[in-house]
Amino acid sequence: EAQVTQNPRYLITVTGKKLTVTCSQNMNHEYMSWYRQDPGLGLRQIYYSMNVEVTDKGDVPEGYKVSRKEKRNFPLILESPSPNQTSLYFCASSKADWGKQFFGPGTRLTVL
Amino acid sequence: GENVEQHPSTLSVQEGDSAVIKCTYSDSASNYFPWYKQELGKRPQLIIDIRSNVGEKKDQRIAVTLNKTAKHFSLHITETQPEDSAVYFCAASIVSGGSNYKLTFGKGTLLTVNP
Repeated sequence: EAQVTQNPRYLITVTGKKLTVTCSQNMNHEYMSWYRQDPGLGLRQIYYSMNVEVTDKGDVPEGYKVSRKEKRNFPLILESPSPNQTSLYFCASSKADWGKQFFGPGTRLTVL
Repeated sequence: GENVEQHPSTLSVQEGDSAVIKCTYSDSASNYFPWYKQELGKRPQLIIDIRSNVGEKKDQRIAVTLNKTAKHFSLHITETQPEDSAVYFCAASIVSGGSNYKLTFGKGTLLTVNP
């Protein structure tokens, strides 16, 4: 089944404790992206990747890191999480085909 | 950078009526405008999209129109049904070589269809 998966789905952590949210797609998509969704703010792009080893900042990259060492994986790294990074995070992927993005199920992160 | 404004933030209609959601964008280089539907507790899903070389696109009860001169685009849902109730997001992107670059979303419209 073609899909985008994220892990974990739910995470409660404390300020400053490094964490990684994984994202994987099995559709051989070139493009992958991370978004955060906050009430009243909609979806905001954090980072995106055009292909392996090619990443760039979205609109809200501060406090996040990404890497794209393999085509199928695009992990999101929070080196020192803070409470303002409490949010619902979505990973998405698409072929190089005018952006029909497929979203993962989301990761709800709470930073205490 | 790109700024996308979406109105209204909430919209309530009676079943069978039409619903219209409007978005404006700021970057004249944007050439791809997707619309996503997000049901409660679910992930966003693409419902329709339009490229800048097209003025209108229709898919059954859903249509999108684009006015490049005015830099606005709209989603039209006819004969609304309760299952159309969801949050709808518009977005704008510059697509080059067939792949997305940055994608900027509007803040969303909560559509409620009352039976």
